[in-house]
Amino acid sequence: QQQVKQSPQSLIVQKGGISIINCAYENTAFDYFPWYQQFPGKGPALLIAIRPDVSEKKEGRFTISFNKSAKQFSLHIMDSQPGDSATYFCAASSNTGNQFYFGTGTSLTVIP
Amino acid sequence: EAQVTQNPRYLITVTGKKLTVTCSQNMNHEYMSWYRQDPGLGLRQIYYSMNVEVTDKGDVPEGYKVSRKEKRNFPLILESPSPNQTSLYFCASSQWGPQETQYFGPGTRLLVL
Repeated sequence: QQQVKQSPQSLIVQKGGISIINCAYENTAFDYFPWYQQFPGKGPALLIAIRPDVSEKKEGRFTISFNKSAKQFSLHIMDSQPGDSATYFCAASSNTGNQFYFGTGTSLTVIP
Repeated sequence: EAQVTQNPRYLITVTGKKLTVTCSQNMNHEYMSWYRQDPGLGLRQIYYSMNVEVTDKGDVPEGYKVSRKEKRNFPLILESPSPNQTSLYFCASSQWGPQETQYFGPGTRLLVL
């Protein structure tokens, strides 16, 4: 059973556009929600993370929006660039457990 | 350079032939973890370790073993590999636990015939 559901599976965006990737979870014990970025042939790398005490976190062109009541969070990439083309994974964990759960991934292609 | 290393990077083997994938980190991290990545399924946690001699099952532990005898090393053992273990494997580490930045190795691509 997938603990974190991610959509869409793939996304094509024009350069300069906004990329939006969504994730949903059921386990209310989750309290840490990171996004990882993976380029082909590389391991994932942390992009940005949020905890449920805030509804939004922004780092440069990357923003996480978090809706605790809906148990959903999303990644917004503003002014998307070809260099942002990668696979993005949302994830979740709980501070009462030591497991870590990834979503199924979104392959983002930014067209020049 | 702070890093997580894995060996081998590529491996082709046959069903039933025991193999070990090594993982080592030079950051003095307490938490280490193994994941497998499969198309359409994302990354799934196999085993993790909170400290030396402390290991626990993740989401998909069947068919795998791990050990943590030293802080820096966390080998993944497949005692009798089967074709459904064909996958891309990643080792990761973080300072204290899963709620901190995990640093991933470069991956090991395994094909079991």
